[in-house]
Amino acid sequence: QKEVEQDPGPLSVPEGAIVSLNCTYSNSAFQYFMWYRQYSRKGPELLMYTYSSGNKEDGRFTAQVDKSSKYISLFIRDSQPSDSATYLCAMSSIDVMDSSYKLIFGSGTRLLVRP
Amino acid sequence: DAGVTQSPTHLIKTRGQQVTLRCSPKSGHDTVSWYQQALGQGPQFIFQYYEEEERQRGNFPDRFSGHQFPNYSSELNVNALLLGDSALYLCASSLDSSGSGATQYFGPGTRLLVL
Repeated sequence: QKEVEQDPGPLSVPEGAIVSLNCTYSNSAFQYFMWYRQYSRKGPELLMYTYSSGNKEDGRFTAQVDKSSKYISLFIRDSQPSDSATYLCAMSSIDVMDSSYKLIFGSGTRLLVRP
Repeated sequence: DAGVTQSPTHLIKTRGQQVTLRCSPKSGHDTVSWYQQALGQGPQFIFQYYEEEERQRGNFPDRFSGHQFPNYSSELNVNALLLGDSALYLCASSLDSSGSGATQYFGPGTRLLVL
């Protein structure tokens, strides 16, 4: 079993729809939760960063973390064709030996927003 | 504010050869991490450099090595290339002293093809 599971999609929605993207994880030590957007043949772009549980909103994007269920979500309101990309969830915890962080990624969900 | 830069953008090598990839971190960042992203997969952590030392390493063989320079830039070296090393190699930078080392910013990547 992978540490982080993410539905690969593709997820196809009409323009203006609300999009829900999700990841589950198994490691209860994770404290930092990120969402990245990756356009084809480009590097991942950091969208949202959340520490521990709770919600965080930034414009059309809302990130939710439920540590009790080991489940995180990203909601995109009023989706646009320019949102078409692969969305990667990533998680991390601090390594107590050297205070470092490594990111553990899901496999990514492909999103297509149809005009 | 210059983001993370990587060179070269593309590279074609043959099996058994050696390759060196380069990364300059985001201005003000002192920590560099390297990831390998196979097609259709999320990035996999290779290793992290801080204060010119390898601080943490993922499940990659010793053929993968790196270096960090006093100006925080970094190199990834891969020896005895295999076909399976074909991937997008991503560099990510972060600021260790900020207490949010999990917040990593990625470069555009180097796409390596091994024939």
